[in-house]
Amino acid sequence: QQPVQSPQAVILREGEDAVINCSSSKALYSVHWYRQKHGEAPVFLMILLKGGEQKGHDKISASFNEKKQQSSLYLTASQLSYSGTYFCGTEMAGNQFYFGTGTSLTVIP
Amino acid sequence: NAGVTQTPKFQVLKTGQSMTLQCAQDMNHNSMYWYRQDPGMGLRLIYYSASEGTTDKGEVPNGYNVSRLNKREFSLRLESAAPSQTSVYFCASSGDRVGNEQFFGPGTRLTVL
Repeated sequence: QQPVQSPQAVILREGEDAVINCSSSKALYSVHWYRQKHGEAPVFLMILLKGGEQKGHDKISASFNEKKQQSSLYLTASQLSYSGTYFCGTEMAGNQFYFGTGTSLTVIP
Repeated sequence: NAGVTQTPKFQVLKTGQSMTLQCAQDMNHNSMYWYRQDPGMGLRLIYYSASEGTTDKGEVPNGYNVSRLNKREFSLRLESAAPSQTSVYFCASSGDRVGNEQFFGPGTRLTVL
């Protein structure tokens, strides 16, 4: 049930781009993306809904392929503040919600 | 607005002791959630409440009970704590069950000896 995220970890230099992927084996109603910094609570980034609607951060983009139950988060021109662990969360039938195991992103100067 | 608040921030228990984690939100949200976060495991849903008066089991409910006291408050109880329940516990709330972002509290770091 838990979505699979890839990669598990990535290191970037400032200004570089990254893509984080999230894949589920179940049909999804929506995909959420959150970022968590060490010792803090997760913070909402974006929601992608079935049917194409998106809500969230204006500096981060994402895609949702409903047929493949996959989502990707695109981080462009990365900044030091982008460092943290990124989680996707998947909503599915029966009020089920599962978070992925996370992708650790480190941006270095 | 305080958002989502949790108490306590830290707690150490001995095996077999009981305790209640408190959560409150001031955003008038219908849905509330309890998660646990273990290293390398991400966040796992323990229980959720889609509205006042209703609760449902999540992925890992064993060893826990919850109470949705009113629209604002959602508590998590450990009746007989076990070392396997050592974790960081997060409470969250959202406007509706589907399609709305979840707002998280600061977390409770629980150690069971």
